[in-house]
Amino acid sequence: DVKVTQSSRYLVKRTGEKVFLECVQDMDHENMFWYRQDPGLGLRLIYFSYDVKMKEKGDIPEGYSVSREKKERFSLILESASTNQTSMYLCASSLDRGLEQYFGPGTRLTVT
Amino acid sequence: AQTVTQSQPEMSVQEAETVTLSCTYDTSENNYYLFWYKQPPSRQMILVIRQEAYKQQNATENRFSVNFQKAAKSFSLKISDSQLGDTAMYFCAFFSMEYGNKLVFGAGTILRVKS
Repeated sequence: DVKVTQSSRYLVKRTGEKVFLECVQDMDHENMFWYRQDPGLGLRLIYFSYDVKMKEKGDIPEGYSVSREKKERFSLILESASTNQTSMYLCASSLDRGLEQYFGPGTRLTVT
Repeated sequence: AQTVTQSQPEMSVQEAETVTLSCTYDTSENNYYLFWYKQPPSRQMILVIRQEAYKQQNATENRFSVNFQKAAKSFSLKISDSQLGDTAMYFCAFFSMEYGNKLVFGAGTILRVKS
């Protein structure tokens, strides 16, 4: 079974802090994704990556950056956390872009 | 831009009954994929069912089936013999290689199965 893990289930940070959210997948998937999930808005794509060191902006990249140094690991970085970044963050991976995405358990981030 | 609309924010159904969740989408593409994902409370999101637009036959996975109406751009999910474990948030999603290879999600429908 594909396993996607995220470094934290719950995280509380202060405004202005630098925040790292890490995601690891164990199935050698090429593609990895970061979404944020907000009530009434569904999932919105922040960034995605097709390969190591490759990244592309999604629909809401402002205030975020990503890093993919190894195939299995995709990190989301909030350079200076703000209260409007309080949300649920979901990581996903897929073997091919049109195929099923496998999701991690999510990180609920609260910025105070 | 591609949009996916789920017009039912919340629904409920009695155990063992059938329920249909609605999804419409807007696209000018001819080749695309449609998905239904399920997110149970405090658990990971999983794929329920997948439909390729070029296939006329509706996809089925056990108690889950879809009604895919390409001309109407409609993709509803039918759950038969509802079980308590079907209680979850359900997301409809659209994928097209012509649209940046990205999944576009609807806002979701919360389904509650009552005993």
